[in-house]
Amino acid sequence: GENVEQHPSTLSVQEGDSAVIKCTYSDSASNYFPWYKQELGKGPQLIIDIRSNVGEKKDQRIAVTLNKTAKHFSLHITETQPEDSAVYFCAASRDRDDKIIFGKGTRLHILP
Amino acid sequence: NAGVTQTPKFQVLKTGQSMTLQCAQDMNHEYMSWYRQDPGMGLRLIHYSVGAGITDQGEVPNGYNVSRSTTEDFPLRLLSAAPSQTSVYFCASSYSADYEQYFGPGTRLTVT
Repeated sequence: GENVEQHPSTLSVQEGDSAVIKCTYSDSASNYFPWYKQELGKGPQLIIDIRSNVGEKKDQRIAVTLNKTAKHFSLHITETQPEDSAVYFCAASRDRDDKIIFGKGTRLHILP
Repeated sequence: NAGVTQTPKFQVLKTGQSMTLQCAQDMNHEYMSWYRQDPGMGLRLIHYSVGAGITDQGEVPNGYNVSRSTTEDFPLRLLSAAPSQTSVYFCASSYSADYEQYFGPGTRLTVT
C-alpha cells in the first residue's frame, strides 16, 4: 500500500524567512496530494492541494510543487509569520474511493 | 452547518471496557474516515467509508469496528479497550478521497 514519508519532523525558521517541507510517496498511481495545518488542540485543516496533472500551485504565501517522476512533493511558505507556527501534514491518495495516507507531520516553529 | 461533530471530547476507560466514539456530519458527504494521532506517528487511518453500507480497513484497524448505516453517522467501536489505544481520535468527512477532508475536533481517549 501507499507509504508517505515527511521531512523534517521539526523545523525552526526566523520570522520573515522561508520554510520548506518535503514528502515522498511510494505508489505511482497516487494523484492527489493535499497539505494540512494543525493548530494546538484542533483538527487539521486543508491549506493547499495539488493534483498530478499540475506541477506547481500557489496561494498567496503558500506554494506546493510536485515531481511525479521522483514521487515527491513539497510545501513552500514564504515570508513566514508567527501564526504559521503549527504542525503540517502531507497526504496522498489515488482516487475518490481510495485511502488517504498521511505523513508523520512537521512541527514548524517561527522564531521572533 | 455544524460540520463534523465528535462526542465525547474526553474519555477515560479501564482495560477491557468497551465504548463507541460518535461522529456525525451534516454536509451530505459520502466519504468518512477515522484517524488516530499519537506523538511522532502522525495521523494513521483506522477505517474509512465511501458511502452508507460500505466500510473498509485502513492502516491500523485491529481492535476497532465501524459501521455506516446512514450517510451522516460513522461510529467507531472499541470492543475491549487496551492501553495501546490511548490516543487522540479524529473523524473526517469529504465528498471523496480526492477532495478536502473536514476534520472534527477530536476525542482524547485514555485507557488505564
